[in-house]
Amino acid sequence: DAGITQSPRHKVTETGTPVTLRCHQTENHRYMYWYRQDPGHGLRLIHYSYGVKDTDKGEVSDGYSVSRSKTEDFLLTLESATSSQTSVYFCAISESPDITYGYTFGSGTRLTVV
Amino acid sequence: SQQGEEDPQALSIQEGENATMNCSYKTSINNLQWYRQNSGRGLVHLILIRSNEREKHSGRLRVTLDTSKKSSSLLITASRAADTASYFCATEGSGNTGKLIFGQGTTLQVKP
Repeated sequence: DAGITQSPRHKVTETGTPVTLRCHQTENHRYMYWYRQDPGHGLRLIHYSYGVKDTDKGEVSDGYSVSRSKTEDFLLTLESATSSQTSVYFCAISESPDITYGYTFGSGTRLTVV
Repeated sequence: SQQGEEDPQALSIQEGENATMNCSYKTSINNLQWYRQNSGRGLVHLILIRSNEREKHSGRLRVTLDTSKKSSSLLITASRAADTASYFCATEGSGNTGKLIFGQGTTLQVKP
């Protein structure tokens, strides 16, 4: 999607290893979000950021940490990957939570923990 | 837990028919949004309705919001095969929390 890039697009990792996913935006939006999508659960919010170095937890934050040292980058780290963290991870950006045109989503990162 | 619950979970209709999806939520909201997701892709924003609005239109889309019942509906008129996708409602809680919470989605299949 224009203005937002997720990397990597696919990753297979072993249980117990740390993994970092990157979200990069070129829109200079203040808000950035990490969601995971699993069958039967829809999208669930992991962490979000409302500014550089300002982050907060979402619904399913256990086992995840985030960092935002620059406006354009929001990193999601799985400290010690587990099979339950196998999922598709989406990053989203927004100028404001109330903006008429909503959030812009990245294309997703498919993570498999074996 | 999810804020939004959607109904039905799956819907199959013929091209040209109307499709209606419903969303219920639990707490006070600032706004409610609808998104579409094509298979294997990210979500695309369709429409946002604020808590002080009751109805909005965008092309073939009509969204209603009933805050007294904590529910919303999305109507797609004159559906096309290209409308085949999953549709999600999402709510931003009151107080400008900055958090958008999604429902589990409705999978719509439009048969040619």
